[in-house]
Amino acid sequence: QIALNESGPTLVKPTQTLTLTCTFSGFSLSTSGVGVGWIRQPPGKALECLALIYWDDDKHYSPSLKSRLTITKVTSRNQVVLSLANADPVDTATYYCAHTSSGKLYWFDPWGQGIPVTVSS
Amino acid sequence: YELTQPPSVSVSPGQTARITCSADGLPNQYVHWYQQKPGQAPVLVMYQDSRRPSGTPERFSGSSSGATVTLTIGGVQAEDEADYYCQSLDRTGSFVIFGGGTKLTVL
Repeated sequence: QIALNESGPTLVKPTQTLTLTCTFSGFSLSTSGVGVGWIRQPPGKALECLALIYWDDDKHYSPSLKSRLTITKVTSRNQVVLSLANADPVDTATYYCAHTSSGKLYWFDPWGQGIPVTVSS
Repeated sequence: YELTQPPSVSVSPGQTARITCSADGLPNQYVHWYQQKPGQAPVLVMYQDSRRPSGTPERFSGSSSGATVTLTIGGVQAEDEADYYCQSLDRTGSFVIFGGGTKLTVL
């Protein structure tokens, strides 16, 4: 059974770097075809995909946020880490990580429960 | 380039709900659908336009016609009330995008 869990700070000051960790079980990021994505959702707004990383270390970033994002995997620990530099209040959102497989840029299933993050001084 | 969904759809219990996802020049990519209930994470309910994951009730179906993909819920039940998001790829086919979401209200 696949499960994912997001962890990290729930309050970040503007200009700081937001670092979130996705710890998962039930699959391995060394398995061909497998990936993990990060998606966020500002309060009352739509979903926005931020970044994806795959078993072969291929990485994809949101074009609008690419300069601020870094995604890495720690395969031995079953973790994926997302960093968002220069945090701004508009980055306030619930951040989700999700499993993807069967190919790149496909659907996400399942998702973690999400972690709410507030950017405020 | 974006995926356009109606902000809201309302139906009575037992009726059929249709939620559309469209884009100018949809780049011939598959569309996937998620259901999100208040305070919960999204759940995949349809993938590759019309394929239903195990666990998704049979009353959910998907179809595609031209630049529009439709999620249909036949015999809507109160438990189907939720926000629904479509997902596909951007114009370059190199990144994931989501629609703006549709709030399904069961009257």
